Amino acid sequence: SQTIHQWPATLVQPVGSPLSLECTVEGTSNPNLYWYRQAAGRGLQLLFYSVGIGQISSEVPQNLSASRPQDRQFILSSKKLLLSDSGFYLCASTQGSNSPLHFGNGTRLTVT
Amino acid sequence: GNSVTQMEGPVTLSEEAFLTINCTYTATGYPSLFWYVQYPGEGLQLLLKATKADDKGSNKGFEATYRKETTSFHLEKGSVQVSDSAVYFCALSDRTSGSARQLTFGSGTQLTVLP
Repeated sequence: SQTIHQWPATLVQPVGSPLSLECTVEGTSNPNLYWYRQAAGRGLQLLFYSVGIGQISSEVPQNLSASRPQDRQFILSSKKLLLSDSGFYLCASTQGSNSPLHFGNGTRLTVT
Repeated sequence: GNSVTQMEGPVTLSEEAFLTINCTYTATGYPSLFWYVQYPGEGLQLLLKATKADDKGSNKGFEATYRKETTSFHLEKGSVQVSDSAVYFCALSDRTSGSARQLTFGSGTQLTVLP
């Protein structure tokens, strides 16, 4: 079965600093990969998804970006963090649009 | 477009009480339906799923039946435990879409079970 690794688990960064969150997937090949953000008291917001290496689709305009340099690696980045970027970031993987998602344990980001 | 509406929380129950978390959906095609659970400080885990009308998904004492006529997928458990305290998300996947992004989540329902 799929295993999603995310790191770090928690992160505190000052406003204006860069960000890099990494997600790697084991136990599958050519997965669809997703980045979600869960703000405090709110549901899941899809940020980016990828159907293959180098293929990134953005769901919402923002100062974040994503990259997929390898089949099972998905990276979320920012050049300059904003206070509003605080939240719980979840990486997810699936084998197809009709398959359930497998989630990582998330990264809690606090921008101060 | 697709949407999922869950009952608002938080829901607080005593141990061994009966649980219902309502979920209704709007979809253009024939979606698969899911319930995910998020324990404190963790990511989401698939709890159960149903892929066609009248299917019943079940796991760990939880059940949900795919009701096409009422566009609902309510989560139920006959006797909750303290360890069931978590946030529960209803979600749908529209099988008519070939896009990887057609997974729509509800806003989540916080459940707290008291001993």
